[in-house]
Amino acid sequence: GAGVSQSPSNKVTEKGKDVELRCDPISGHTALYWYRQRLGQGLEFLIYFQGNSAPDKSGLPSDRFSAERTGESVSTLTIQRTQQEDSAVYLCASSAQGAYEQYFGPGTRLTVT
Amino acid sequence: SQQGEEDPQALSIQEGENATMNCSYKTSINNLQWYRQNSGRGLVHLILIRSNEREKHSGRLRVTLDTSKKSSSLLITASRAADTASYFCATDGYGQNFVFGPGTRLSVLP
Repeated sequence: GAGVSQSPSNKVTEKGKDVELRCDPISGHTALYWYRQRLGQGLEFLIYFQGNSAPDKSGLPSDRFSAERTGESVSTLTIQRTQQEDSAVYLCASSAQGAYEQYFGPGTRLTVT
Repeated sequence: SQQGEEDPQALSIQEGENATMNCSYKTSINNLQWYRQNSGRGLVHLILIRSNEREKHSGRLRVTLDTSKKSSSLLITASRAADTASYFCATDGYGQNFVFGPGTRLSVLP
């Protein structure tokens, strides 16, 4: 079956512009996660969805970051007024109800110039 | 924080040798997972060990968990060049918010 997909795979944007990153989880997976990974570093948790509600938004670094999810499907991560420090790979993962194993997408590499 | 911390940060070995990576964490956990990441892209789940388990095997992988020391180790036996990757441990927080450590970069030299 299809895995987690993310789009775009690469995004170059100018400082101050808004960007929208998309994640399509595995069909039927109820949980969805967003992470940020800076070059050579580990994963930084951003937000977790269970269905279309977000019980944990504690990782969003500032109010420029927001995310939403439609039902138990696609999610979008929006970064407003991008800054150079937002440059990173943004990874999305999903997991089945009651399961701990996360399935990751290939990520979106964001470069803010 | 329940952050997992892997060590060493980087490890280079010859093909055929065994590789051991360690993970330490700070507070009680329900589960600990190990993931592999190739080329800075998506992660692949390797193995999950529950807090009431002490050892688990999967193919050439062996994971141990010592909850008294709040540590886990991942052993890869008979390493191959294809094992070259970054390896991360992930510990569960409350709910399902997993916290990933900074990773160990493994290089397997032919």
